[in-house]
Amino acid sequence: KNQVEQSPQSLIILEGKNCTLQCNYTVSPFSNLRWYKQDTGRGPVSLTIMTFSENTKSNGRYTATLDADTKQSSLHITASQLSDSASYICVVSASWGNDMRFGAGTRLTVKP
Amino acid sequence: NAGVTQTPKFQVLKTGQSMTLQCAQDMNHEYMSWYRQDPGMGLRLIHYSVGAGITDQGEVPNGYNVSRSTTEDFPLRLLSAAPSQTSVYFCASSAGLAIYNEQFFGPGTRLTVL
Repeated sequence: KNQVEQSPQSLIILEGKNCTLQCNYTVSPFSNLRWYKQDTGRGPVSLTIMTFSENTKSNGRYTATLDADTKQSSLHITASQLSDSASYICVVSASWGNDMRFGAGTRLTVKP
Repeated sequence: NAGVTQTPKFQVLKTGQSMTLQCAQDMNHEYMSWYRQDPGMGLRLIHYSVGAGITDQGEVPNGYNVSRSTTEDFPLRLLSAAPSQTSVYFCASSAGLAIYNEQFFGPGTRLTVL
């Protein structure tokens, strides 16, 4: 079983609308959680990173939240644009070394 | 800076053939890694290196070899390609393993093994 589960698998929204992507994890002990954006045919690009003591982090129209008690994170996208069409990947790291666990991603499509 | 570069972008192999996927970075990063990305699954770590001359196995190392003779280059070798190795391969680098060190990914190599 994957230690990082993302939902929904895919999402279609209209340009200008908001959306929220979910990430649940079982990775323990927890070190940090990252959200990446991956455009089709490209490598992932970092959006945010949060540690145990941070419960929200913003990067422009992207806002990530973290509840370390319930082991849940969300990525909220405000006023979506066509360029937001991409896969969004949640990555959770354990407290040892480089053990990063990747979620399968949510595929977001923004339509005009 | 070119960042992380990978070659080739696409490759088709026959079962049993060998090949090397190239990865280079120009950011003087100590930490480099190789991942594979399969449909419906998260990226999985194949091999990683914490500096020149030092490599270690990740989650799915079987069928792959790596070496790190310089800080800049981290090639991934497929010894005898199998259809199960059909995937998209990403190389990544970062300044180190500290929490806030961002990991930079290359554009990927799409490999098909027939």
